[in-house]
Amino acid sequence: ELKVEQNPLFLSMQEGKNYTIYCNYSTTSDRLYWYRQDPGKSLESLFVLLSNGAVKQEGRLMASLDTKARLSTLHITAAVHDLSATYFCAVDFAGGTSYGKLTFGQGTILTVHP
Amino acid sequence: DVKVTQSSRYLVKRTGEKVFLECVQDMDHENMFWYRQDPGLGLRLIYFSYDVKMKEKGDIPEGYSVSREKKERFSLILESASTNQTSMYLCASSLDDYNEQFFGPGTRLTVL
Repeated sequence: ELKVEQNPLFLSMQEGKNYTIYCNYSTTSDRLYWYRQDPGKSLESLFVLLSNGAVKQEGRLMASLDTKARLSTLHITAAVHDLSATYFCAVDFAGGTSYGKLTFGQGTILTVHP
Repeated sequence: DVKVTQSSRYLVKRTGEKVFLECVQDMDHENMFWYRQDPGLGLRLIYFSYDVKMKEKGDIPEGYSVSREKKERFSLILESASTNQTSMYLCASSLDDYNEQFFGPGTRLTVL
């Protein structure tokens, strides 16, 4: 079964702290995406990770992919309130051979407090 | 910028009604997708299309059908709406099989 699991599902952070969101998936893939969703809004693409060891950074967010462990991480550095949102990882299990179909994790609701 | 638009942001329908949700993209993307989003379940794929008039079932196609008569437009049809189809519906498109998906603003459908 193709499964993508995120943890934690709920994350309450203080401003200035660091934390990591984990995304585990069930079978081999080397194409993984991270999206952000603000309340009442649609999904916005954050990162595209296409190979083992891929690391991408944008501001206070850094995403990495370990295909051997079937794990991606989204690391938050020195959190600020503007990062409050729901974060989804999504996996293309077919490696681009099935029209780009994605399987999504449940989402992690991140709240950053002062 | 890629733009994916959906015909309605909010929709209220009655049980048994036929419901049409429209999605249009303006970047000549090959692939288009319909998802529903429910709390705690993430996004689940209903149907997708990889070319005009071509469609494939996703993970939860029961109770839904789709139509893609033009490349830029992908419609989701609920033949006879039921209360368990109350959800947020998101449309997405991608240039091809190897590129990220871009999402529309979503339609929040309530079936009474």
